[in-house]
Amino acid sequence: AQRVTQPEKLLSVFKGAPVELKCNYSYSGSPELFWYVQYSRQRLQLLLRHISRESIKGFTADLNKGETSFHLKKPFAQEEDSAMYYCALSGLRNYGQNFVFGPGTRLSVLP
Amino acid sequence: IAGITQAPTSQILAAGRRMTLRCTQDMRHNAMYWYRQDLGLGLRLIHYSNTAGTTGKGEVPDGYSVSRANTDDFPLTLASAVPSQTSVYFCASSQGVRTGELFFGEGSRLTVL
Repeated sequence: AQRVTQPEKLLSVFKGAPVELKCNYSYSGSPELFWYVQYSRQRLQLLLRHISRESIKGFTADLNKGETSFHLKKPFAQEEDSAMYYCALSGLRNYGQNFVFGPGTRLSVLP
Repeated sequence: IAGITQAPTSQILAAGRRMTLRCTQDMRHNAMYWYRQDLGLGLRLIHYSNTAGTTGKGEVPDGYSVSRANTDDFPLTLASAVPSQTSVYFCASSQGVRTGELFFGEGSRLTVL
């Protein structure tokens, strides 16, 4: 069965500090992993996906198949990064119906 | 461009009442989805539709029904609301079933008393 875990419900860091939001998954095949973000009073939106291997707003995430992890990292957190972050997983076919979200981590960046 | 529009944004409902949450998209996306968001559980898929005229059950479909008469609209109906259906409901769409980017509406907060 597909499952995504995010061990931290709330993560608080100071501005300028590094941040890492943890995500672990279980999936029998080769999954595609995503990070979605929901800023205050905004819609949930895609932040990045592992196949793109790109940095968005300074965030990066590397898929580690050995550890079944897809942690989201940023070297220097900014106050505008405060938001709810969801890790998500999908199988290779029929993305929507097989899309599984983790419980989410609320990131609070303190001034 | 509006993207996905949901209505109502918030509603308080008595248990046993029928309620329809509306979702309309203007992106001509084939696939649409309904999720509920609950604290500590993340987003769980209720129902989905890969294309107009077809629907399928997600992870938590009981107590909900959907229809997809055309590409743009994907209403979610609670036939007889119960307090456990108190949640925030999100409608989403994707261009096709093989795309990983979901586009979300702003959500509908439903409270069942």
